[in-house]
Amino acid sequence: RKEVEQDPGPFNVPEGATVAFNCTYSNSASQSFFWYRQDCRKEPKLLMSVYSSGNEDGRFTAQLNRASQYISLLIRDSKLSDSATYLCVVNIGQNFVFGPGTRLSVLP
Amino acid sequence: DTGVSQDPRHKITKRGQNVTFRCDPISEHNRLYWYRQTLGQGPEFLTYFQNEAQLEKSRLLSDRFSAERPKGSFSTLEIQRTEQGDSAMYLCASSLKGPGDFGPGTRLLVL
Repeated sequence: RKEVEQDPGPFNVPEGATVAFNCTYSNSASQSFFWYRQDCRKEPKLLMSVYSSGNEDGRFTAQLNRASQYISLLIRDSKLSDSATYLCVVNIGQNFVFGPGTRLSVLP
Repeated sequence: DTGVSQDPRHKITKRGQNVTFRCDPISEHNRLYWYRQTLGQGPEFLTYFQNEAQLEKSRLLSDRFSAERPKGSFSTLEIQRTEQGDSAMYLCASSLKGPGDFGPGTRLLVL
């Protein structure tokens, strides 16, 4: 089993839609979780950290389920500018393991 | 401070040649990571420094790869005797905690 797994997509959604991504991780000792966003041919950029109690930043909501070892990202009222690849990141000790990413295309 | 910078941005080399990449992190960041990314994949961890100490190296990192961070500031990644399979984007990130901020990457093409 891979350390971090994500549905590769692509997810094609119309503007204004709500879309959710899941990410599963294999190491039960992982403590730090993040979502990064990567635009085509650009470097990844931090979107948000994921806290145990779940957290929200505007249209974005992140959730953590430790028992099932997955994290999720919900995007509400999606915009054309949300089109990107969303990378799930989990710590393994002091290292960080990135998932393969889920590609999102928001269509007009 | 304008963020993490990497040099060069692009490198084309012939198989068997050595290449060296440089990363300048955000100045107050003590952690520095090197990653490699190929098309359709997430960044793959290569190595990690805390200040000048190299604390961890990926098992995937062959002996042809070496990294340094001599004064705890900038870092270099050298690949000796390049192979076509080394073609990838090499990303550097720096942080105080967490995966941190990425530089724009060095895109390597080995012919």
